[in-house]
Amino acid sequence: DSGVTQTPKHLITATGQRVTLRCSPRSGDLSVYWYQQSLDQGLQFLIQYYNGEERAKGNILERFSAQQFPDLHSELNLSSLELGDSALYFCASSLRDRTNTGELFFGEGSRLTVL
Amino acid sequence: GQQLNQSPQSMFIQEGEDVSMNCTSSSIFNTWLWYKQDPGEGPVLLIALYKAGELTSNGRLTAQFGITRKDSFLNISASIPSDVGIYFCAGQNYGGSQGNLIFGKGTKLSVKP
Repeated sequence: DSGVTQTPKHLITATGQRVTLRCSPRSGDLSVYWYQQSLDQGLQFLIQYYNGEERAKGNILERFSAQQFPDLHSELNLSSLELGDSALYFCASSLRDRTNTGELFFGEGSRLTVL
Repeated sequence: GQQLNQSPQSMFIQEGEDVSMNCTSSSIFNTWLWYKQDPGEGPVLLIALYKAGELTSNGRLTAQFGITRKDSFLNISASIPSDVGIYFCAGQNYGGSQGNLIFGKGTKLSVKP
């Protein structure tokens, strides 16, 4: 158990809809990262928040947005969903804004299926 | 942006065999990491390498940080069924305000008992 909690574990929705994925980092961790894992693309970095502020942005679509709240939990919002958005979405956390050891603690992921 | 090429994409081996996988990049990284993802779980860090040429072991796992800083390999000796999973290499640089990891596409390992 990494200590990172993600909900929901599974989500099935239709094209055009909007969903919110939630992540609670490990106790004490200030940084939250979102990754998308699809079959042919591996783990793609989407966005990072540190102590409530956006820290780094990766290949995140404009239809997607995220935020980190004062209690440090984070939400990833996916809107106008397309079939290609079906993927496993991982949240990870670390203590600082940079992982000086390279260690991220990953949750179990939220599997999104868009029909 | 930076990309990591990881090979092989998948491997089917017999229990007891040794395994080797590698990762290359067109650009330099300061840190190379190897993560494992068990089925239904998130990735977990196996080995971290911080210096060019460094060779590090963790039980039956051995990894090396290439001298050019553009590659790394991971070896697993005497594989067992619980080695099944996806192995990801990842690179990291300490530039600017970004510390995010760049992951390879993974090597899926299947082990026949």
